[in-house]
Amino acid sequence: DGGITQSPKYLFRKEGQNVTLSCEQNLNHDAMYWYRQDPGQGLRLIYYSQIVNDFQKGDIAEGYSVSREKKESFPLTVTSAQKNPTAFYLCASSIGSHGTGELFFGEGSRLTVL
Amino acid sequence: DQQVKQNSPSLSVQEGRISILNCDYTNSMFDYFLWYKKYPAEGPTFLISISSIKDKNEDGRFTVFLNKSAKHLSLHIVPSQPGDSAVYFCAASAHDYKLSFGAGTTVTVRA
Repeated sequence: DGGITQSPKYLFRKEGQNVTLSCEQNLNHDAMYWYRQDPGQGLRLIYYSQIVNDFQKGDIAEGYSVSREKKESFPLTVTSAQKNPTAFYLCASSIGSHGTGELFFGEGSRLTVL
Repeated sequence: DQQVKQNSPSLSVQEGRISILNCDYTNSMFDYFLWYKKYPAEGPTFLISISSIKDKNEDGRFTVFLNKSAKHLSLHIVPSQPGDSAVYFCAASAHDYKLSFGAGTTVTVRA
């Protein structure tokens, strides 16, 4: 089945540790995104990538890093520099190079910092 | 600064009645608007969209209305069904890659 797979679904991290969230898509989409969801807030864009080997910062990129070495993969690293990393993280993708806005989302990864 | 606002965090409606969800935006450059539906522990799924050249778009039980002068859009669900109980996000785009999302409205459909 075509879709977006995020792993792990739940992750616990000690303060000061980096952690990497995986996102893989087999939809052959060009663009991929990482969003963060906090209670009472909308989804906020962390990073996005329009093509392989290229990515741009979103609205809340500080403390995060990404890579886009393959079209199918867009991993997100939450670094120790992220002051409040506990959140629900959503990966998404979209078709083509002109953003109509329709995104396809994964099921999310919930990160908890202990 | 939140450019897309959903001022009602929750809505409760009886099965069979109409659900009306509202969304306001501040960026006049937005030209494409979407609604997403999200169940707990799942990612959002696309529901319906509307371009700024239209003022209404209908898809089955779902209709989105756009009032550009008021910078307001609404989603109507008629009739509401128990499976419609979810969080609904309004989103807007200035036809680039970035979507701005509202905080969401939790809809509960009562039997």
